[in-house]
Amino acid sequence: GQQVMQIPQYQHVQEGEDFTTYCNSSTTLSNIQWYKQRPGGHPVFLIQLVKSGEVKKQKRLTFQFGEAKKNSSLHITATQTTDVGTYFCACPAGTSYDKVIFGPGTSLSVIP
Amino acid sequence: DTEVTQTPKHLVMGMTNKKSLKCEQHMGHRAMYWYKQKAKKPPELMFVYSYEKLSINESVPSRFSPECPNSSLLNLHLHALQPEDSALYLCASSARVAGVTEAFFGQGTRLTVV
Repeated sequence: GQQVMQIPQYQHVQEGEDFTTYCNSSTTLSNIQWYKQRPGGHPVFLIQLVKSGEVKKQKRLTFQFGEAKKNSSLHITATQTTDVGTYFCACPAGTSYDKVIFGPGTSLSVIP
Repeated sequence: DTEVTQTPKHLVMGMTNKKSLKCEQHMGHRAMYWYKQKAKKPPELMFVYSYEKLSINESVPSRFSPECPNSSLLNLHLHALQPEDSALYLCASSARVAGVTEAFFGQGTRLTVV
């Protein structure tokens, strides 16, 4: 079946350093989504990428969808303590828009 | 209103109990979901309702029984649960707008089975 991997599993950075998490799917994707979950919180939608090679920016966050539409990355510039949390990629599974598989997540800690 | 409201926030139940989790959204979303999340793991899809009909059941044991009384409400009925069913149960809803499906999650119900 479809597999979704994320690396790294954990990342500890000094405040102000950059951070990147990578997501890889075993199958070609129609789109990919990213969610953030703060400790003790619930997942919050960040973005959806659809086009091959697409790059989208949200303030200090840059999202990229690979040319082959099998991988994606999330890059945070100059991390802040508010960036702490787990970042999940989420990929469609099957033909339904509603069925989504979450990657295992990357847990980000920011040391002030 | 972009909220998905779940009750209760915490629940402790015995293995012989019957309880229900409730979820409500007033965003007019046609899809509603139940996810299960264990500590330090991603959310796992359990059920999807689309236009109040069950469209996806991810082979969930029958001790979990979903119900969608109307387009705003989603319930998850629990009976004869096992300790390994202890987890955070998340409800979500979504609508597809301009090709983007954004899911809104509730705060979750933290369930402990004793």
